[in-house]
Amino acid sequence: EAGVTQFPSHSVIEKGQTVTLRCDPISGHDNLYWYRRVMGKEIKFLLHFVKESKQDESGMPNNRFLAERTGGTYSTLKVQPAELEDSGVYFCASSQSSRTEAFFGQGTRLTVV
Amino acid sequence: GDSVTQMEGPVTLSEEAFLTINCTYTATGYPSLFWYVQYPGEGLQLLLKATKADDKGSNKGFEATYRKETTSFHLEKGSVQVSDSAVYFCALGPNYGGSQGNLIFGKGTKLSVKP
Repeated sequence: EAGVTQFPSHSVIEKGQTVTLRCDPISGHDNLYWYRRVMGKEIKFLLHFVKESKQDESGMPNNRFLAERTGGTYSTLKVQPAELEDSGVYFCASSQSSRTEAFFGQGTRLTVV
Repeated sequence: GDSVTQMEGPVTLSEEAFLTINCTYTATGYPSLFWYVQYPGEGLQLLLKATKADDKGSNKGFEATYRKETTSFHLEKGSVQVSDSAVYFCALGPNYGGSQGNLIFGKGTKLSVKP
């Protein structure tokens, strides 16, 4: 069974550009989470989808970040326009229910220059 | 608000040495506690967890006991191997029964084990 897959694994973009990260959860997992780790800091929760609905988006830093999960399958996280402080590793995780273990992807390393 | 504090790294040990990585937390109620590990080039993996006070989580020779009186969840292993080299994250989950994916993480501790 395939695990959580994230694309791309690395992305380097210039300040002001747009970047879209993608997460494919484990098949059948209704819950999908996005996290971010800025260099040297904690991994921070960004938001939680249940199917296509945003259950909790309290961790989204500002309105330059837009997450979607159309159809309740894969999810995208768009950063527009990107700023230097957005650099970090973005993790996606999925779980079958909200009370079961969440499985993480390998992360996308985003560098904004 | 809720938070997790874990010891700063990096930690460098020789093979077969004893490992302790300290983790303390601040939370209301009765959170669940987790240790995640990230091996080089891989994603986060759940290493072990404990959902209530005095529970001991264990896996792959690692152990951690949920101590409510000291608000701690220290990770220990009696004899580390080179293959244990990784970054270890302590994490806190919502009150027992809540979402297991909405986690609060510590900063991570990088462990390097030398042969």
